[in-house]
Amino acid sequence: DGGITQSPKYLFRKEGQNVTLSCEQNLNHDAMYWYRQDPGQGLRLIYYSQIVNDFQKGDIAEGYSVSREKKESFPLTVTSAQKNPTAFYLCASSTPHGINEKLFFGSGTQLSVL
Amino acid sequence: AQSVTQLDSQVPVFEEAPVELRCNYSSSVSVYLFWYVQYPNQGLQLLLKYLSGSTLVKGINGFEAEFNKSQTSFHLRKPSVHISDTAEYFCAVHNTDKLIFGTGTRLQVFP
Repeated sequence: DGGITQSPKYLFRKEGQNVTLSCEQNLNHDAMYWYRQDPGQGLRLIYYSQIVNDFQKGDIAEGYSVSREKKESFPLTVTSAQKNPTAFYLCASSTPHGINEKLFFGSGTQLSVL
Repeated sequence: AQSVTQLDSQVPVFEEAPVELRCNYSSSVSVYLFWYVQYPNQGLQLLLKYLSGSTLVKGINGFEAEFNKSQTSFHLRKPSVHISDTAEYFCAVHNTDKLIFGTGTRLQVFP
């Protein structure tokens, strides 16, 4: 079945540690996105990529980094510079016809700080 | 920049009652609007979208929304809700090459 796979489902970070969240899609989508979800604040865009080897900052990129070396993969690294990383992280991709068609979402990763 | 405002953070309703979830957007020359639903511990799914044409848009699971340009609104409605409709609902607007989401409305359906 085609879809977006996020792993792990739950992740714990120690102080000063970088952690990487995985996002893989087999939908042949060009565009991929990372959102952060906090209670009462909805979804906020961290980074997005329209094409391989290119990505743009979203509204809350500070303390995060991404790479897009392959079309299928868009990993997100939460660095030690992100002082409040506890949140639910959602990865998404959009169809070849663009964002006006549909966003497909993964099932998310819950990141918590130890 | 485009933005959306969801006026209600929570909407409690009894089963089989009608419901309306409100969404207002910032004015622009052209606007593309969406409603997504998120069930517990899951990602989001597209309910419906408005790109152009008829202002009444029908989506999945019996939901519909009406685009009202004069009131800059895109409210989501369902005439009779089920327990299974309990979820978080997000309104979103297309901004350049990305979607901007509202803060969400938690729909709680009681038996």
